[in-house]
Amino acid sequence: KAGVTQTPRYLIKTRGQQVTLSCSPISGHRSVSWYQQTPGQGLQFLFEYFSETQRNKGNFPGRFSGRQFSNSRSEMNVSTLELGDSALYLCASSLNTRGFGYGYTFGSGTRLTVV
Amino acid sequence: AQTVTQSQPEMSVQEAETVTLSCTYDTSENNYYLFWYKQPPSRQMILVIRQEAYKQQNATENRFSVNFQKAAKSFSLKISDSQLGDTAMYFCAFMFPRTGGTSYGKLTFGQGTILTVHP
Repeated sequence: KAGVTQTPRYLIKTRGQQVTLSCSPISGHRSVSWYQQTPGQGLQFLFEYFSETQRNKGNFPGRFSGRQFSNSRSEMNVSTLELGDSALYLCASSLNTRGFGYGYTFGSGTRLTVV
Repeated sequence: AQTVTQSQPEMSVQEAETVTLSCTYDTSENNYYLFWYKQPPSRQMILVIRQEAYKQQNATENRFSVNFQKAAKSFSLKISDSQLGDTAMYFCAFMFPRTGGTSYGKLTFGQGTILTVHP
């Protein structure tokens, strides 16, 4: 059974550009969440999607957005990149049939560097 | 808002010995989930163990066990017979059940504890 797949693994972008990261959840998983991981701030929740609907959003500026497709694949987009957006972006999926008790399965992340 | 605190930035242990990682959390809710995740240098977060707050029995997964003290809001992880492959960053995390609003799908993580297992 394939795990959570995130592409690309590494990205280098210039300030002001925009970037799109992709996440394919485990087959059958309908809930997808995104996290930003930095040495200073640790792991911070970005947003959660279920059945193509954003149900929750963390405390990030509007430059951070996402979406989920009918096959549960998800993308997140960051526009007008800033140096502080350099981070590891992690995607996680959950079966979510009876709540979140079984936790989330994470991908290996996308390392974004903004120069 | 709930918070999760891991007071040990770094820990080390000799191979085959036992180590305990600490975690405390703060919430006014009665029903929730707690997790320990492991993040090795490969970056992938791996679920180690989970605990449902309404269950009094401490969770156990092979060499990993927790000491869940609900009244004290403490959730420590014990690793027995430590192995070199246990070297990683360990995160304690908290999640509400499916109650809607701002709790959907949101794991709140502690700052992590770097565990090094020495041969």
